[in-house]
Amino acid sequence: SQQGEEDPQALSIQEGENATMNCSYKTSINNLQWYRQNSGRGLVHLILIRSNEREKHSGRLRVTLDTSKKSSSLLITASRAADTASYFCATSGGYQKVTFGTGTKLQVIP
Amino acid sequence: NAGVTQTPKFQVLKTGQSMTLQCAQDMNHEYMSWYRQDPGMGLRLIHYSVGAGITDQGEVPNGYNVSRSTTEDFPLRLLSAAPSQTSVYFCASSPYYWDSHNLNTGELFFGEGSRLTVL
Repeated sequence: SQQGEEDPQALSIQEGENATMNCSYKTSINNLQWYRQNSGRGLVHLILIRSNEREKHSGRLRVTLDTSKKSSSLLITASRAADTASYFCATSGGYQKVTFGTGTKLQVIP
Repeated sequence: NAGVTQTPKFQVLKTGQSMTLQCAQDMNHEYMSWYRQDPGMGLRLIHYSVGAGITDQGEVPNGYNVSRSTTEDFPLRLLSAAPSQTSVYFCASSPYYWDSHNLNTGELFFGEGSRLTVL
């Protein structure tokens, strides 16, 4: 089974609203990353948060990490139609494998 | 600087045929990996490598072989293709970083994917 699971599986919001996606994982990690995938394309890295960090920001993105609950959230503020994509979390326990969650499909309606 | 290059982009095979998906990176990354993506399944790790000469299995390794003779290249071989291997395959590489005496994989750089259909 996969290490991470995103919730919700699908999310539809109006342009300008905030979008929140959650990721839960099973084993201890050294870092957690979020990626975006536009339909039919490769994945693009958004943000990396280390296990000793609780919150990180990048532009309109805010990521939180709660290692005690083995969960992370990605918040996209003031969403735009161009944010329509699938979002994945990925976890790493060290220098070895990086495993992905199942993804959240976000639709932003203009 | 091309990043991660995957070839071919599209391939159709018949059941039982073998083929190799090529992956090359020019960023001198030690870590490389192969994933497959199926609808509703996210990305599943097939094999990964932490450096030249070192490979290991991921979540779904059966039916696939890899080798890592150079830092730059990490080919994925399908030994005897099956319809269940119809999927989109992604290669990715990553630099390492040190954090409190621990070596960690960092941001993954992905290729554009290879769409494989097995009939």
